[in-house]
Amino acid sequence: TQLLEQSPQFLSIQEGENLTVYCNSSSVFSSLQWYRQEPGEGPVLLVTVVTGGEVKKLKRLTFQFGDARKDSSLHITAAQTGDTGLYLCAGSFSGTYKYIFGTGTRLKVLA
Amino acid sequence: NAGVTQTPKFRVLKTGQSMTLLCAQDMNHEYMYWYRQDPGMGLRLIHYSVGEGTTAKGEVPDGYNVSRLKKQNFLLGLESAAPSQTSVYFCASRPTQGAFNQPQHFGDGTRLSIL
Repeated sequence: TQLLEQSPQFLSIQEGENLTVYCNSSSVFSSLQWYRQEPGEGPVLLVTVVTGGEVKKLKRLTFQFGDARKDSSLHITAAQTGDTGLYLCAGSFSGTYKYIFGTGTRLKVLA
Repeated sequence: NAGVTQTPKFRVLKTGQSMTLLCAQDMNHEYMYWYRQDPGMGLRLIHYSVGEGTTAKGEVPDGYNVSRLKKQNFLLGLESAAPSQTSVYFCASRPTQGAFNQPQHFGDGTRLSIL
């Protein structure tokens, strides 16, 4: 069974703080995506990483793919209340059409 | 732009009843997926389809059936609902081009309760 573990499961921080969320697997991904989900809605894609060691930035969000393509991290600088949501990573594996989702990190940013 | 539309948005069933969840996409996407989302377990793939007339099992297919008679529609059926199938169900679609770099586009979910 291919599993994606995310940590931490829950995170509550003050506005302006920095945070990092992790996504780990024992398997090698062909690509990995990060999604954010808000209550009552479906997940929305933030970024896709495909190359080991790749770093992508999206405003205050920095995404990194591990060199061995088994793990990824999402770093948020100076968190804002609008960053509140459920963050999900999803990995795809070579030779399949499907994605495996992580267990999710629920982030709450307090004003 | 409608994107991915799921119907119904909410439903309450009694154990043993059957129902069908409908997913419709207007983006001409080849790939479509059905997931269920439960607290602390992320999204788990039930079934998926890589084109009209084709379906395949995901991680948790037991108790569900699917059909893709038309490219734009992907139906998820529960033949005999059980309380363990209480969940939020999400449909997603994805284009073929660009392989796995392409995002999955999700609907807003169907909240299903089985009593």
